[in-house]
Amino acid sequence: GAGVSQSPSNKVTEKGKDVELRCDPISGHTALYWYRQSLGQGLEFLIYFQGNSAPDKSGLPSDRFSAERTGGSVSTLTIQRTQQEDSAVYLCASSLEGLAYYEQYFGPGTRLTVT
Amino acid sequence: RKEVEQDPGPFNVPEGATVAFNCTYSNSASQSFFWYRQDCRKEPKLLMSVYSSGNEDGRFTAQLNRASQYISLLIRDSKLSDSATYLCVVTGSGNTGKLIFGQGTTLQVKP
Repeated sequence: GAGVSQSPSNKVTEKGKDVELRCDPISGHTALYWYRQSLGQGLEFLIYFQGNSAPDKSGLPSDRFSAERTGGSVSTLTIQRTQQEDSAVYLCASSLEGLAYYEQYFGPGTRLTVT
Repeated sequence: RKEVEQDPGPFNVPEGATVAFNCTYSNSASQSFFWYRQDCRKEPKLLMSVYSSGNEDGRFTAQLNRASQYISLLIRDSKLSDSATYLCVVTGSGNTGKLIFGQGTTLQVKP
């Protein structure tokens, strides 16, 4: 079946612009996660949605970052007033449920470059 | 101190070698543990979960020592296709799926 898809695959933007990154999880998966991977850094948790519960936003690095998940499916990560340090690969993952022992399936990521 | 620490390597080994990776984690409340594999410029994929009793999947053996907060991965009879970055991953407090990743250990298997 279809895996997690993300768009765009690459995004180049100028410092100060807003960007939106999209994630389509695997159909039927109730949990959706956003991570980012910067050069020389490990994967860093950003935000997590589980069903209709309030999202866990504890990993968002600043209030310029926000995310929403509409209809329990597609999610959009928005970065406002982008900075050069926001350059990274943004990865989305989904799992059947939001519990630790459910395997997370990752999308191919969006490579964001802020110039 | 990072929550999950790994030796970044690279580990350069010949085909057929046995290689071991280790990692330590700082949160004693972590409940679930994993090894993920990430190929160059690709997304991470689950390699195996790690259980306290130790577990094996073919050439791969994972061990967990909760008292020492230490996780290991052993790869026997290395193949060229094992070349990748291996990520040690733990969950945060509680049993949610929020994953905390180590920086990864790079393995290069040479003919």
